[in-house]
Amino acid sequence: DAGVIQSPRHEVTEMGQEVTLRCKPISGHNSLFWYRQTMMRGLELLIYFNNNVPIDDSGMPEDRFSAKMPNASFSTLKIQPSEPRDSAVYFCASSSDRGEQFFGPGTRLTVL
Amino acid sequence: AQRVTQPEKLLSVFKGAPVELKCNYSYSGSPELFWYVQYSRQRLQLLLRHISRESIKGFTADLNKGETSFHLKKPFAQEEDSAMYYCALRSGSARQLTFGSGTQLTVLP
Repeated sequence: DAGVIQSPRHEVTEMGQEVTLRCKPISGHNSLFWYRQTMMRGLELLIYFNNNVPIDDSGMPEDRFSAKMPNASFSTLKIQPSEPRDSAVYFCASSSDRGEQFFGPGTRLTVL
Repeated sequence: AQRVTQPEKLLSVFKGAPVELKCNYSYSGSPELFWYVQYSRQRLQLLLRHISRESIKGFTADLNKGETSFHLKKPFAQEEDSAMYYCALRSGSARQLTFGSGTQLTVLP
């Protein structure tokens, strides 16, 4: 198993553009998490899904952020429109029930 | 609401010296505590969890409910221990983790 897969690994975009981050969880895992990592705030949970259903999105910064999980093997995090303060590393993680969370390699987003 | 505090953003020690990374939490119930580690250019990965009461790579952490702490300790630091360390808490029947802001450990030669 390749583990949690994220794409792209790096994204550079201009302010106002739409950004879509993608995640493929480990097969068989039923929980998926999106995190944002910054120097100032560390690792923050944005949203998590259980069995493809969003359970807690209280960490989503504002309406510019949205996340979907159309099936058990794919999730997206979208930012529209993007702003420079969204620059961060975005991690996806998956787990089986309340088991260990396995993290993807992250997407480094830079918004100019 | 739960909260995890890691008071040190940066910590430097010399090789062979003891190291302690501090973690304090606030939660009214019985939490599960974890330490995650992120080595340079690698994924964030679980280092240890308090319920296992095990030593991983020479690191140990004891849950102190009286002081609401879960400090990570190693008696003799190695250069390969240099990494970002995150303390995390899981509450009740929740699936999600609450992370601290992280401590960047540098072990000097």
